[in-house]
Amino acid sequence: RKEVEQDPGPFNVPEGATVAFNCTYSNSASQSFFWYRQDCRKEPKLLMSVYSSGNEDGRFTAQLNRASQYISLLIRDSKLSDSATYLCVVIYGGSQGNLIFGKGTKLSVKP
Amino acid sequence: ETGVTQTPRHLVMGMTNKKSLKCEQHLGHNAMYWYKQSAKKPLELMFVYNFKEQTENNSVPSRFSPECPNSSHLFLHLHTLQPEDSALYLCASSPAGRGNTEAFFGQGTRLTVV
Repeated sequence: RKEVEQDPGPFNVPEGATVAFNCTYSNSASQSFFWYRQDCRKEPKLLMSVYSSGNEDGRFTAQLNRASQYISLLIRDSKLSDSATYLCVVIYGGSQGNLIFGKGTKLSVKP
Repeated sequence: ETGVTQTPRHLVMGMTNKKSLKCEQHLGHNAMYWYKQSAKKPLELMFVYNFKEQTENNSVPSRFSPECPNSSHLFLHLHTLQPEDSALYLCASSPAGRGNTEAFFGQGTRLTVV
């Protein structure tokens, strides 16, 4: 059973496009949610946290639907530098809060 | 520059060798993690330490042996590995406890078992 599932990639989009990634999680006791970004051959880095009320950071908008156990990331006006793999991350497990990662969705933004 | 440092960055070892991976963080965090990242697979949680105590062993084979001497250092001792163990091994740290805690990753050790 996959705990965190993401859209299969890769997404190839032109500069300026709007792109949306989806993620579902299986554990209803999940507590916290994040999107991480991983550049080629680099370590993952936090992109943004995801809140029930939704949150926006510049061109990036993240949303959470607890009832459907669904998380999304929207990127507007894509830049070449947005090319990376986007990882959906869920925390559950009581006080330890272990991070569970999705497989990631690769985004390539073309000129 | 990352607050989590891993050494070595690259490692090639034979199946009969013994080697160790090292992770160090000076972020004041009390939770440290080992993850394995293989091609076309999600990041797999291997071990978790909270306040130097191992709180998670995610069904990892015994040929991987973690050690956490203090909250700033984490080791992964390797022996009699298999070629399928070749992967990127990532260390991470975070503040221990509930809630919205970001994890900081090291740059990883790319391991090749020959």
